[in-house]
Amino acid sequence: EPEVTQTPSHQVTQMGQEVILRCVPISNHLYFYWYRQILGQKVEFLVSFYNNEISEKSEIFDDQFSVERPDGSNFTLKIRSTKLEDSAMYFCASSPIPGQPNPYEQYFGPGTRLTVT
Amino acid sequence: AQTVTQSQPEMSVQEAETVTLSCTYDTSESDYYLFWYKQPPSRQMILVIRQEAYKQQNATENRFSVNFQKAAKSFSLKISDSQLGDAAMYFCAYRTGSGNTGKLIFGQGTTLQVKP
Repeated sequence: EPEVTQTPSHQVTQMGQEVILRCVPISNHLYFYWYRQILGQKVEFLVSFYNNEISEKSEIFDDQFSVERPDGSNFTLKIRSTKLEDSAMYFCASSPIPGQPNPYEQYFGPGTRLTVT
Repeated sequence: AQTVTQSQPEMSVQEAETVTLSCTYDTSESDYYLFWYKQPPSRQMILVIRQEAYKQQNATENRFSVNFQKAAKSFSLKISDSQLGDAAMYFCAYRTGSGNTGKLIFGQGTTLQVKP
């Protein structure tokens, strides 16, 4: 069964450094999302992406964050200058286009655990 | 703005027994979708069950079923014949029915402990 993959599984970085989290969505999906989950808390929406542009973003997704689909398979989240409070699990998700089964469902990757020291 | 509330931070059930996890939501929309996700210690988000708001019939997936009360804006998850592998954090989530890029709005989660 197709699945969303994310790399790396764990990233440790120093405060102020840039990080890029990578995701490979399911191949025939066209809607992409990033969520984050601070340890012990709920999952929070960051951004949605379709047709090479951001569809919606949350208040968390400030100028320090950016997303990109650099090629036909990868979807990346960049944090320019990491802060301690960026430490969290980051989930990528994708969903099918209308006309495919269950177009409203989002399929999650296994997550990247980001630790900022 | 839509909100999702899970009022039970922790629940406990004996193996083979039945447990119900509560979820309420607030929305002014009539078209939306509701989900329950399971998050085991690996922290992977696993879809357990889905419910379309326009469907009156409650969704069922094997041992998992929901009680969807649209007027009351309630969406509880019932787990029958609980197994040790059901121990996890469970999140209720809401998605708007309008547009194609709807974000998921999650509740705070309920940690389920299954006792042997």
